[in-house]
Amino acid sequence: AQSVTQPDIHITVSEGASLELRCNYSYGATPYLFWYVQSPGQGLQLLLKYFSGDTLVQGIKGFEAEFKRSQSSFNLRKPSVHWSDAAEYFCIPSGNTPLVFGKGTRLSVIA
Amino acid sequence: NAGVTQTPKFRVLKTGQSMTLLCAQDMNHEYMYWYRQDPGMGLRLIHYSVGEGTTAKGEVPDGYNVSRLKKQNFLLGLESAAPSQTSVYFCASSPTGRNTIYFGEGSWLTVV
Repeated sequence: AQSVTQPDIHITVSEGASLELRCNYSYGATPYLFWYVQSPGQGLQLLLKYFSGDTLVQGIKGFEAEFKRSQSSFNLRKPSVHWSDAAEYFCIPSGNTPLVFGKGTRLSVIA
Repeated sequence: NAGVTQTPKFRVLKTGQSMTLLCAQDMNHEYMYWYRQDPGMGLRLIHYSVGEGTTAKGEVPDGYNVSRLKKQNFLLGLESAAPSQTSVYFCASSPTGRNTIYFGEGSWLTVV
């Protein structure tokens, strides 16, 4: 069965600091991998996705993620965090079985 | 370009009442899903459908029923609402199981 782990439940960073959100997956084959963001009171928005090819993926809002097969990881990064990035972030592997969500990582941004 | 539309957005129910949440997508997607989101629990899959006329149970199906009579619509029913069903409900769709997932904006349900 597929599963995803986001080890950090809550992260606080200062505005302008760099960010890395961790995601580890367990899957029989290489899954398609997604990062979604959910701002307070909003639905989920796709940040970026990895299907195949270049393992460094660029997304919206200045985010990027790197797929590392050897580590079964797909960590999300941003070089300089903005206050508007405060939200819940979900890493999702997509396979042929129903989508499994981790509990997400809540990002707080302080001045 | 509507994408995934959920109705209603907000609803307050009394314990024991019934209601139906409607999800409509205009992208001709095969797969549709219903999730609930509760504080500290992330998103949990209630039911899903891999095509018109099909439904299957997810992680937390008890107390809910679904139907997919038309490809574009996926209905979530609560036959006898309970306070434990107070939650935010999200519908989603995707072309296949291995593809980008598109979410609706959520439906806030309170059962008193």
